[in-house]
Amino acid sequence: QKEVEQNSGPLSVPEGAIASLNCTYSDRGSQSFFWYRQYSGKSPELIMFIYSNGDKEDGRFTAQLNKASQYVSLLIRDSQPSDSATYLCAVPTQGAQKLVFGQGTRLTINP
Amino acid sequence: DAGVTQSPTHLIKTRGQQVTLRCSPKSGHDTVSWYQQALGQGPQFIFQYYEEEERQRGNFPDRFSGHQFPNYSSELNVNALLLGDSALYLCASSLGQGIITNEKLFFGSGTQLSVL
Repeated sequence: QKEVEQNSGPLSVPEGAIASLNCTYSDRGSQSFFWYRQYSGKSPELIMFIYSNGDKEDGRFTAQLNKASQYVSLLIRDSQPSDSATYLCAVPTQGAQKLVFGQGTRLTINP
Repeated sequence: DAGVTQSPTHLIKTRGQQVTLRCSPKSGHDTVSWYQQALGQGPQFIFQYYEEEERQRGNFPDRFSGHQFPNYSSELNVNALLLGDSALYLCASSLGQGIITNEKLFFGSGTQLSVL
């Protein structure tokens, strides 16, 4: 079992709809979770992080964490074409000094 | 305040050659980590340097080596290049070796390496 798993997609969502991205992780001791957005050929950009169970909202983005189920998700409301990118879930591990990334989910927002 | 800078931005090499990639951390940071991101994959941890020593290493062969200088900048060296080494190489800097938080880890723009 991979440490961090994501559906690679592609995920297509119409403009204005809600995009839902999912991530599962294997280490029950994980405490924090990051979501990165990566445009083609560019470096990852941190867009959300979450430490506590429940929801965390930042603008159009909501991260949801369920530690019991070892599941973290990212919701993007009112999706825009500029949201089209690959979204990476990342979890710190090994004494919290490195990030383990999922494969990434490629999201396309259709105008 | 300059962020993490990497050079070069793009590089083309042939199989068997050697390559050196460079990274300057964000001002005030003393720890540098390197990640390899193959096409369609998430970044994979290569190693981390702190106090001029390799502190952690991912599952990469000895062909991958590095160095950290007294000014905290770092180099990643790859010997005997293989086609499979083609990837985006990312450098990330942080302060100290504590828990990674959103406030601590900063990525550079990466070096795109193509091996022909």
